[in-house]
Amino acid sequence: AQKVTQAQTEISVVEKEDVTLDCVYETRDTTYYLFWYKQPPSGELVFLIRRNSFDEQNEISGRYSWNFQKSTSSFNFTITASQVVDSAVYFCALSVLDDKIIFGKGTRLHILP
Amino acid sequence: DTAVSQTPKYLVTQMGNDKSIKCEQNLGHDTMYWYKQDSKKFLKIMFSYNNKELIINETVPNRFSPKSPDKAHLNLHINSLELGDSAVYFCASSQDGTSYNEQFFGPGTRLTVL
Repeated sequence: AQKVTQAQTEISVVEKEDVTLDCVYETRDTTYYLFWYKQPPSGELVFLIRRNSFDEQNEISGRYSWNFQKSTSSFNFTITASQVVDSAVYFCALSVLDDKIIFGKGTRLHILP
Repeated sequence: DTAVSQTPKYLVTQMGNDKSIKCEQNLGHDTMYWYKQDSKKFLKIMFSYNNKELIINETVPNRFSPKSPDKAHLNLHINSLELGDSAVYFCASSQDGTSYNEQFFGPGTRLTVL
């Protein structure tokens, strides 16, 4: 069975600090996909990134970066120079072939001005 | 243009009532989903339809019945509402039902059962 663990329930940092959100996943499948979604206070879920299990290259998009490490079954998300607008709940998710997506319980991130 | 829309945004009702939530997507996607998000923000899939055909039906009380009149619409009807049904319900769509594709979510419907 698939599982996604986001051990950090809630994180608070001061604006401009860097922050890393952890995601650990479990699956026995060799082909799988990992996702991050953002849920700002307004409530909608917004897709951020997708990674497949064969692509361990790290990704950077502006202030956002993702570190995928199969050896530790982790797909961590780092926000550099955080801003108040980054305050949200962030979900890590996992899907395998022919099965539904499983979401982690989310990490609530507070960026303090 | 709104990609995935849901109506209503808020729904307050009494226990025992029957209510429906509507969802429409204009992305041309084949697959649509219903999720329930509880007060602790835990997000769980309820149903998935691909081209009007039910493909995922999680362990959900049969008081919940999805209906897909066409591939752009997926409605959720709930009979005999209970207090525990209070949650935010999200509709989502993806290009097809393969695990590769990201999902696009609607704004959510906050259901409060009194």
